Amino acid sequence: DAKTTQPPSMDCAEGRAANLPCNHSTISGNEYVYWYRQIHSQGPQYIIHGLKNNETNEMASLIITEDRKSSTLILPHATLRDTAVYYCIVRAVGGTASKLTFGTGTRLQVTL
Amino acid sequence: NAGVTQTPKFQVLKTGQSMTLQCAQDMNHEYMSWYRQDPGMGLRLIHYSVGAGITDQGEVPNGYNVSRSTTEDFPLRLLSAAPSQTSVYFCASRPGYNLANTEAFFGQGTRLTVV
Repeated sequence: DAKTTQPPSMDCAEGRAANLPCNHSTISGNEYVYWYRQIHSQGPQYIIHGLKNNETNEMASLIITEDRKSSTLILPHATLRDTAVYYCIVRAVGGTASKLTFGTGTRLQVTL
Repeated sequence: NAGVTQTPKFQVLKTGQSMTLQCAQDMNHEYMSWYRQDPGMGLRLIHYSVGAGITDQGEVPNGYNVSRSTTEDFPLRLLSAAPSQTSVYFCASRPGYNLANTEAFFGQGTRLTVV
């Protein structure tokens, strides 16, 4: 699986958009970009994933660059409950490569 | 629908003791896995299973055994606990091994301390 690079920490004011970047310059054509978050040592929670098109769901939006070498997770209106560690993961389909490999993520602190 | 259930939530062991961490899912998922998370670090894969009767090693398998006799259960056994195994353990499952378009569901973790 391709490796990812994320900033170790970010701050965001409550009510503002949180934009979390991820670099995955060695991503392969069959690898998806996944985002998970972990709130205060709970089990990780799935947020969103995509292959090459931008995606949106009730939690967030995922913007993937045209060359697929980087992506941005957007929380449109961050709240205090969004304070968590956010993990960007790339994963291929099938075979032994089909595993989630977690890095150290970005610790997002949402403040008043 | 309980999702992924891990027991116990907390455990203290003495060095050399053995124990089994339980993981059960009620979503009929094929793929299950165990991770450990040490303070300030991401999750590291211990063992995984792509279906009943099939298991394989992950990134940090030493000191742990697994088996998958049913689709629902994927227990993790510590053979002889060591202080280096003090960690938080997470079990996860997802629907299809070969499907990329699927999300993983995680349990709430087992906090293990080995003294």
